Amino acid sequence: EAGVTQSPTHLIKTRGQQATLRCSPISGHTSVYWYQQALGLGLQFLLWYDEGEERNRGNFPPRFSGRQFPNYSSELNVNALELEDSALYLCASSLRTSTNYGYTFGSGTRLTVV
Amino acid sequence: AQSVTQLGSHVSVSEGALVLLRCNYSSSVPPYLFWYVQYPNQGLQLLLKYTTGATLVKGINGFEAEFKKSETSFHLTKPSAHMSDAAEYFCAVSPYGSARQLTFGSGTQLTVLP
Repeated sequence: EAGVTQSPTHLIKTRGQQATLRCSPISGHTSVYWYQQALGLGLQFLLWYDEGEERNRGNFPPRFSGRQFPNYSSELNVNALELEDSALYLCASSLRTSTNYGYTFGSGTRLTVV
Repeated sequence: AQSVTQLGSHVSVSEGALVLLRCNYSSSVPPYLFWYVQYPNQGLQLLLKYTTGATLVKGINGFEAEFKKSETSFHLTKPSAHMSDAAEYFCAVSPYGSARQLTFGSGTQLTVLP
């Protein structure tokens, strides 16, 4: 069974540009979660999508947005990049009714803003 | 609302010694609790989880954790550390009966000394 896949693995952008990160969940999982892991700040919850809808959002500015496609894959967009957006962005998936059983994480996208 | 506190951002133990990583949680409803491990440049891997039932939970790689409601704790232990246990460990909480995202602690970096 394929795990959660994220692309690209690494992404280098210039301040002010836009970044697009992609995530494919485990087959059958309908929920996708995005977390930001910046150096020294732990895992900060960004967004939760399920069945194509945004279910919850963390304390991030509106320039962080995303969507979920009919095949349950997801995209995270970060507009007007700032230096402090440099971080590892982790995607996780789960069955919607089984979030209490934990997530399966992808390996992440390392975003560097210069 | 729920939160997680991991005491000690860095823990060092000698190979063969007991590993004890501390986690305390705050939750307005009965929690589901998780421990994840992250190796360098990788995503998070589920070590173990407590949902209901037996309060002593065994996970992969010889780790176990005990849910203590009276102490609001879920500490992670391993009787004998191995060099391969060196990684970052995250405790997480999810509210029982509610499909919400996991809330993570800030992580504990475990170093195993030869």
